[in-house]
Amino acid sequence: DTAVSQTPKYLVTQMGNDKSIKCEQNLGHDTMYWYKQDSKKFLKIMFSYNNKELIINETVPNRFSPKSPDKAHLNLHINSLELGDSAVYFCASSSLDRNTGELFFGEGSRLTVL
Amino acid sequence: GENVEQHPSTLSVQEGDSAVIKCTYSDSASNYFPWYKQELGKRPQLIIDIRSNVGEKKDQRIAVTLNKTAKHFSLHITETQPEDSAVYFCAGYTGTASKLTFGTGTRLQVTL
Repeated sequence: DTAVSQTPKYLVTQMGNDKSIKCEQNLGHDTMYWYKQDSKKFLKIMFSYNNKELIINETVPNRFSPKSPDKAHLNLHINSLELGDSAVYFCASSSLDRNTGELFFGEGSRLTVL
Repeated sequence: GENVEQHPSTLSVQEGDSAVIKCTYSDSASNYFPWYKQELGKRPQLIIDIRSNVGEKKDQRIAVTLNKTAKHFSLHITETQPEDSAVYFCAGYTGTASKLTFGTGTRLQVTL
């Protein structure tokens, strides 16, 4: 049973296109995140949702728009893709109720913008 | 906000030797410090964590120490094996911000 699953795993697209990545967790967690991992392996938080409400929004371009239809899903839509958007995007979830920051990551979605 | 610094960025050790990775944090409100291991092409996975009310924690060959006064914590791996080769990330968690901030990662290479 996959705890945090995201699709697609690989995405290759042209500059200027719009693309989406979907994420689902079956752990019953109330908080979900999007992290971006660049070529240098830095893990940077982008967004966090708690029970469908946005609680963290780091300095991310407006071209990135997260959507959480329910607390088990958090999708990421990216408009007008740029070369610098190429990275691995990780979805993650955690349970704030337990007052722990332990994150459970998805397998990652490798986005390549040509 | 929280800032987590991690050193070294790369570390090469011979099999059987020990490896130490160090991190410092800035937010005194941080109360949870996990360590994640990321193998090549895989997702980061939690290997050990420590809470702010504990000074040391050990799990087989890995241990973590925390010095709250100095705001630094370290990961210690003893008797390293080739399968320990990976990128290791420290992180600091601030409950009030509900945010986990990662260090910049350490690429550990264990050579035969």
